[in-house]
Amino acid sequence: DGGITQSPKYLFRKEGQNVTLSCEQNLNHDAMYWYRQDPGQGLRLIYYSQIVNDFQKGDIAEGYSVSREKKESFPLTVTSAQKNPTAFYLCASSPNLGTGVGEQYFGPGTRLTVT
Amino acid sequence: GQNIDQPTEMTATEGAIVQINCTYQTSGFNGLFWYQQHAGEAPTFLSYNVLDGLEEKGRFSSFLSRSKGYSYLLLKELQMKDSASYLCAVRDRPPGYALNFGKGTSLLVTP
Repeated sequence: DGGITQSPKYLFRKEGQNVTLSCEQNLNHDAMYWYRQDPGQGLRLIYYSQIVNDFQKGDIAEGYSVSREKKESFPLTVTSAQKNPTAFYLCASSPNLGTGVGEQYFGPGTRLTVT
Repeated sequence: GQNIDQPTEMTATEGAIVQINCTYQTSGFNGLFWYQQHAGEAPTFLSYNVLDGLEEKGRFSSFLSRSKGYSYLLLKELQMKDSASYLCAVRDRPPGYALNFGKGTSLLVTP
């Protein structure tokens, strides 16, 4: 089945540790995105990538890093510099930009808790 | 800047019709999306509007007025499973095509 996978669903880390969240898609989508969602807040864009080996900062990129070495994969690293890392993290992908609807398809999310 | 407003919460009765409004003021516009999100789950795509007018899809319809910066999602024949959060999102112009989300409207359907 085609889709987006994120693992793990729940992740616990101690403060000061870096942690990498995985996102894999087999939809052959060009673009991939990372959002975070906090209670009572909308989704906020962290990073996005339109093609392999290229990515851009979103609205809240500070304390995060990404890589896009393969079309299928867009891992997000939450570094110790991120002041409030506890959140629900959602990865999304969309077909080739500028053609058709190009809606974003979301993975199941990773709930990260840092104590 | 981006400013997308939706009501925080709404309650409606099973079998009824509910309209969820969304107003936006964004620096770019390349389409408006509605997503449904159940608690703890990923958002799922409901509808897309890029031209003015009404798009109908079964029990769900979405309307857009670009001149007024306004959209609504209409849900008919409400079912208990429609209890969820409904997210309005505006897509930027290129090159990013990123989605800018409102905070979402939590809809509770009661018997």
